[in-house]
Amino acid sequence: EIQLQESGPGLVKPSQSLSLTCSVTGYTITSGYDWSWIRKFPGHKMEWMGYISYSGSTNYNPSLKSRVSISRDTSKNQFFLQLSSVTTEDTATYYCSKSGMGFTPFDYWGQGVMVTVSS
Amino acid sequence: IMLTQSPATLSVTPGESISLSCRASQSISTNLHWYQQKPNESPRVLIKYASQSVSGIPSRFSGSGSGTDFTLNINRVEPEDFSIYYCQQSNTWPRTFGGGTKLELK
Repeated sequence: EIQLQESGPGLVKPSQSLSLTCSVTGYTITSGYDWSWIRKFPGHKMEWMGYISYSGSTNYNPSLKSRVSISRDTSKNQFFLQLSSVTTEDTATYYCSKSGMGFTPFDYWGQGVMVTVSS
Repeated sequence: IMLTQSPATLSVTPGESISLSCRASQSISTNLHWYQQKPNESPRVLIKYASQSVSGIPSRFSGSGSGTDFTLNINRVEPEDFSIYYCQQSNTWPRTFGGGTKLELK
């Protein structure tokens, strides 16, 4: 079974970069699918941030402009999120997730990691 | 594409049958999925492509709609159904979610 697990610091200072790791087991991320980062803000709003595909191509939410970057380490079967110049508005629970190609839903999710941006 | 869910909160008693609404700002065909999220858990897919069932999901959950108007139905709410429900469109990038409907115990 595919499993995803997020890891990273729970506290980040304003203006710094947020970096998270998603470790995938049960499937090789270069074999298929899109691998996304999604966040849920306090108050329930959810935002898709971007994905890295099995081929290594990326696609980002324009709302995040040039602040977001998703990369991967295929030797460790991990993919990463980097969000630069964070503010308190980036405080959220961050999830990594998998979807198929095309119009598919997000069918596998990690358990989520809460990140607070505060000085 | 903006997704508007209503109501924001719905208070019901177990055994009631309910409908949750999701409206898209433009046509998304049937590329609309419903998720349930319980406290301290990750979202899980309940219904995909507006009306298709998902393996392992109880049959009391069903969906309908196409274009811009979609509905999630729960036939006879069970105690474990009290959670937040989201719709999400996969018709265009960026993928977007509705604001959620919180189903609470009356």
